[in-house]
Amino acid sequence: EPEVTQTPSHQVTQMGQEVILRCVPISNHLYFYWYRQILGQKVEFLVSFYNNEISEKSEIFDDQFSVERPDGSNFTLKIRSTKLEDSAMYFCASSEGKEWSGELFFGEGSRLTVL
Amino acid sequence: DAKTTQPPSMDCAEGRAANLPCNHSTISGNEYVYWYRQIHSQGPQYIIHGLKNNETNEMASLIITEDRKSSTLILPHATLRDTAVYYCIVGFFGNEKLTFGTGTRLTIIP
Repeated sequence: EPEVTQTPSHQVTQMGQEVILRCVPISNHLYFYWYRQILGQKVEFLVSFYNNEISEKSEIFDDQFSVERPDGSNFTLKIRSTKLEDSAMYFCASSEGKEWSGELFFGEGSRLTVL
Repeated sequence: DAKTTQPPSMDCAEGRAANLPCNHSTISGNEYVYWYRQIHSQGPQYIIHGLKNNETNEMASLIITEDRKSSTLILPHATLRDTAVYYCIVGFFGNEKLTFGTGTRLTIIP
């Protein structure tokens, strides 16, 4: 069964460092997303991406965040200068997009710990 | 903010039907009801969605009241692997920006 894969599964970084989280969406999917979940809190939408551009972003997704689809298979989330409050589980998701089925396919997540 | 209300936790005996309620009294006419679940800290998993009619798939059934102000997700024969947080989400069809609430933590008891 096709799945969304994310790397790394866990990353520890120092405050102020840049972090790149990587995702490989399901191959025929057209829409890509990042969500995050701070420990013990709700899953929050960050950004959606379609046709090589951001289609929607939340207030959380400020200038320190960026997304990219560099090579047609990977979808990355970059956090330019990490803060303590960026510590969270980051989930990548994808959907077919041609005909919305109501289903987002989520990856297993990348846990980011900022010290 | 999430436009749904769910009980924070529920227990269900293994093998029995688990019925998870959701209140969405402010749902608009063209908003759908979606259900996802999150097992431990894994990524959320889609279960089912519906607009007006009851829906069934291999995982669950969704019963939506006639006035659409509430719904119930039914897991017909709960197993231990169904222990998870279940999220009821309302949103417009085609809007993949899901707004998760706090969900219902369902515990299946052996």
